[in-house]
Amino acid sequence: EAGVTQFPSHSVIEKGQTVTLRCDPISGHDNLYWYRRVMGKEIKFLLHFVKESKQDESGMPNNRFLAERTGGTYSTLKVQPAELEDSGVYFCASSLLQWGSRNEQFFGPGTRLTVL
Amino acid sequence: DAKTTQPPSMDCAEGRAANLPCNHSTISGNEYVYWYRQIHSQGPQYIIHGLKNNETNEMASLIITEDRKSSTLILPHATLRDTAVYYCIVRATGANSKLTFGKGITLSVRP
Repeated sequence: EAGVTQFPSHSVIEKGQTVTLRCDPISGHDNLYWYRRVMGKEIKFLLHFVKESKQDESGMPNNRFLAERTGGTYSTLKVQPAELEDSGVYFCASSLLQWGSRNEQFFGPGTRLTVL
Repeated sequence: DAKTTQPPSMDCAEGRAANLPCNHSTISGNEYVYWYRQIHSQGPQYIIHGLKNNETNEMASLIITEDRKSSTLILPHATLRDTAVYYCIVRATGANSKLTFGKGITLSVRP
């Protein structure tokens, strides 16, 4: 079974440019999450989709970040325009939509974004 | 903000048990304790979780104190591949909710 995949694995862009990150969750996982770690900081939650709907976007830093999940399958995270402080590793995770104590989130390998 | 505190680092010898402590003194009655780890250059990986009873799976054991204010993750026979950052996370019962990561503890397994 394929795990969570993210593309690209690395991206280097200049300040002011636009970058789009993609996440393909595990098939059948309705929950999709975006997290990021900026240099020297902890992993921080960005937002949570349930199918195509944004369930919680409380962690989105500002309106330069736009996340979509059309059709409830893969998701994209666009940063426009990118700033230096956006550099970091962006993780995507997915899980089954279920109620119970164990709802393991499966993480992708991350996209390392460098803004110069 | 994370609701857990962990020492910044520890090490252990390969083949020995690694006991990773975590304090969560403000945990609520409906919150679970989860452990994830992040091996270098990979995404976080689920290890185990528990509410109040001790739990064991193929990866580790989780010991939660009776007052639930602290817990210990035990890797019974640490290997070099267990070198990673381990995160203790308190999470509400709504299992679809986000994970709140703290700084974690860096475990170094030495040969």
